[in-house]
Amino acid sequence: GESVGLHLPTLSVQEGDNSIINCAYSNSASDYFIWYKQESGKGPQFIIDIRSNMDKRQGQRVTVLLNKTVKHLSLQIAATQPGDSAVYFCAESYSGYALNFGKGTSLLVTP
Amino acid sequence: SAVISQKPSRDICQRGTSLTIQCQVDSQVTMMFWYRQQPGQSLTLIATANQGSEATYESGFVIDKFPISRPNLTFSTLTVSNMSPEDSSIYLCSVEGLAGDNEQFFGPGTRLTVL
Repeated sequence: GESVGLHLPTLSVQEGDNSIINCAYSNSASDYFIWYKQESGKGPQFIIDIRSNMDKRQGQRVTVLLNKTVKHLSLQIAATQPGDSAVYFCAESYSGYALNFGKGTSLLVTP
Repeated sequence: SAVISQKPSRDICQRGTSLTIQCQVDSQVTMMFWYRQQPGQSLTLIATANQGSEATYESGFVIDKFPISRPNLTFSTLTVSNMSPEDSSIYLCSVEGLAGDNEQFFGPGTRLTVL
């Protein structure tokens, strides 16, 4: 896994605005990517996934974009709500092996 | 998605002791994993718990320190042995999706504090 610092990057957005959380992944051979949301005191919760044969996938209020050329993944949250405040992690895997998690981003939604 | 429970949810332990964490899934799953999440950090894979064979450990993790059992397709344990304060972390089990895809579902975690 990756090593990360003690302080997570923080994204602060106003309620109702759109949020974009970015992630750089390390393995160019990775073929599966997931975004997780982790609220305080809880385990990570699956949000959305995407396979390497796609560059965009949409869910309810969320969109994941994959740019394999620069090994970049992003999560877009539309009309951000206070309940979206959490730490968000991207994760990658290769050929169904276990996930390698990236650095998290703390999302803070202000009223 | 699978429902995953972990016991205990949290514990405070003395250094030098060992703690066994249990992970129970409400359906049979092939792949189970154990992760560690140190305070304020991301998740790091400890090992893959294999049913019927020895666990597969990631670099930096060894069986003597983190013995794992997987007696059946719904249950696994992780033991943190000879604990030190550096072992203070959240320990999470996860299972792979039941639909044959690769998504993983996580348990609520066990918050361990070693004094």
